[in-house]
Amino acid sequence: DSGVTQTPKHLITATGQRVTLRCSPRSGDLSVYWYQQSLDQGLQFLIQYYNGEERAKGNILERFSAQQFPDLHSELNLSSLELGDSALYFCASSVAASASSYNEQFFGPGTRLTVL
Amino acid sequence: GESVGLHLPTLSVQEGDNSIINCAYSNSASDYFIWYKQESGKGPQFIIDIRSNMDKRQGQRVTVLLNKTVKHLSLQIAATQPGDSAVYFCAEISAYNNNDMRFGAGTRLTVKP
Repeated sequence: DSGVTQTPKHLITATGQRVTLRCSPRSGDLSVYWYQQSLDQGLQFLIQYYNGEERAKGNILERFSAQQFPDLHSELNLSSLELGDSALYFCASSVAASASSYNEQFFGPGTRLTVL
Repeated sequence: GESVGLHLPTLSVQEGDNSIINCAYSNSASDYFIWYKQESGKGPQFIIDIRSNMDKRQGQRVTVLLNKTVKHLSLQIAATQPGDSAVYFCAEISAYNNNDMRFGAGTRLTVKP
């Protein structure tokens, strides 16, 4: 158990819909990272927040957004869903502000999103 | 790139043998590298990391080698155990490129008892 929790575990929805994925980081970790892992593209970094502020951005679509709240939990919002958005979505947390610090990221168990 | 769901390169070894998993990275500006292990149905798990100013780093039963000349990273697992069976993939991060993170194609390691 990494100490990172994600809800829900599974989510099935239809094209065009909007969903929210939730992540609670490990106690004491200020950074939250979001990743997408799909069958055809492997693991892709989406976005990082540190202490409530956006810190780094990866291959995140404009239809997707995220935020980190004062209690440090984070939500990833996916809207106008398409079939290709079906994937595993992971969040990870770490203490450091930078992904390039010598600082381990701890991954949650993921949310499996299926868009029908 | 490849992922855990597609046809991944596979490595099958006998329990007790040493395993070597390779990764070619893409960005010559990457300065930090990580190896991850991902078991079926679980999130990636950090194994070992290395900075670009090093060419070797050792952990418990694992060693990472970095060859910047050919942009190659390898993970060596000593005395491989059945519990090591998983998909392994590398990550490269570039502080110069705003912490751009990229993940390599995974390799599925199967350890036969």
